[in-house]
Amino acid sequence: SQQGEEDPQALSIQEGENATMNCSYKTSINNLQWYRQNSGRGLVHLILIRSNEREKHSGRLRVTLDTSKKSSSLLITASRAADTASYFCATDQDTGKLIFGQGTTLQVKP
Amino acid sequence: DTEVTQTPKHLVMGMTNKKSLKCEQHMGHRAMYWYKQKAKKPPELMFVYSYEKLSINESVPSRFSPECPNSSLLNLHLHALQPEDSALYLCASTVREGRYNEQFFGPGTRLTVL
Repeated sequence: SQQGEEDPQALSIQEGENATMNCSYKTSINNLQWYRQNSGRGLVHLILIRSNEREKHSGRLRVTLDTSKKSSSLLITASRAADTASYFCATDQDTGKLIFGQGTTLQVKP
Repeated sequence: DTEVTQTPKHLVMGMTNKKSLKCEQHMGHRAMYWYKQKAKKPPELMFVYSYEKLSINESVPSRFSPECPNSSLLNLHLHALQPEDSALYLCASTVREGRYNEQFFGPGTRLTVL
């Protein structure tokens, strides 16, 4: 079952702008991960945040996690055309299995 | 070598055919996964192998038969598929099954069942 809900479903911005996408989940988790998928290709791991962490950075990516609200956000700063892709959050509940959210499709216009 | 490879990239098969998908990694990972992904949907877990043994089967129909001949190789045997089985099939691996492990994905096999 897919427990993650992502918001928005689609996002279109201009190059240089920031992109924020949100993920909500329903059950307690060990960690939450974000993946990127270019059209019709495999997924690429972006960042993992543990349940006891609140914020994490990696390059132009900033992820926050609020376990009390069961939500996470991914911020991409200074977006580039190459950031155009689908972004999925994935939760690891305690089984080693990843449950993926529905995804946000990001289009960055040059 | 930090990648997961999958062959073939594309596969078209009839409902009476038997075919196989192949996945390979040489990162020393001991957990490997098969996912199915329909267009504009998230990946759905099908099978997990841990140390070459099947550890999770997400109630997948028996027309899909996984096999893990060794720690580097994962196959998915297909037989008597239905048109609704057309999808992108993704393989992934991780250091070992368990928490806090990122998964490395292959590029996928685009399967079309006629």
